[in-house]
Amino acid sequence: EVQLVQSGAEVRKPGESLKISCKVSGYSFTTYWIAWVRQMPGKGLEWMAIINPGDSDTTYSPSFQGQVTISADKSINTAYLQWSSLKASDTAMYYCARRGGTSHNDYWGQGTLVTVSS
Amino acid sequence: QSALTQPPSASGSPGQSVTISCTGTSSDVGTYNYVSWYQHHPGKAPKLLIYGVTKRPSGVPDRFSGSKSGNTASLTVSGLQAEDEADYYCSAYAGANNPYVFGTGTKVTVL
Repeated sequence: EVQLVQSGAEVRKPGESLKISCKVSGYSFTTYWIAWVRQMPGKGLEWMAIINPGDSDTTYSPSFQGQVTISADKSINTAYLQWSSLKASDTAMYYCARRGGTSHNDYWGQGTLVTVSS
Repeated sequence: QSALTQPPSASGSPGQSVTISCTGTSSDVGTYNYVSWYQHHPGKAPKLLIYGVTKRPSGVPDRFSGSKSGNTASLTVSGLQAEDEADYYCSAYAGANNPYVFGTGTKVTVL
């Protein structure tokens, strides 16, 4: 069974750093790209970035380039999304998802709620 | 790249059909046959309903169907059921450097 299990909810202050994770199981981690998607409170889905866990090749949405960093550790089948300096506007639910084809995500994690507040 | 345009809301009674539109441009929906649809119940992970404009993943009921004409894609939910009440998002491919453009989302209410 394909599963993407994300790390738990986080509360941070503005300016702090954060790294959240997405551990996959049930398939070969290096075969499919992993996408990160943001949903701000009351808003829609936004694509942030994708990574090929096999070679760590990445593509960032222009909206998120330079704002976040994604990475993957194929030794432990885990993808990461990190911030070096959080802002209040980073408060959102973040989902990882397996990119099943050219443009669709066929399996999703349960989401990680990130709250940034002073 | 702007978000694809969806109606904010749609509704229907149990058993009826509802169709949600997703309007893009000639750079995304109009060029590539890579439109997907997701169902999202608040607090849960989004679920893939349709990919490649018309294809259904295993386990998705055939009550859900997709189509496309020009720059507009559509999702039809036939035989509405109470559990279909959710947010629905379309997504389209817009090139290797922009693999996803999401729609603005549509809240479907089952009356």
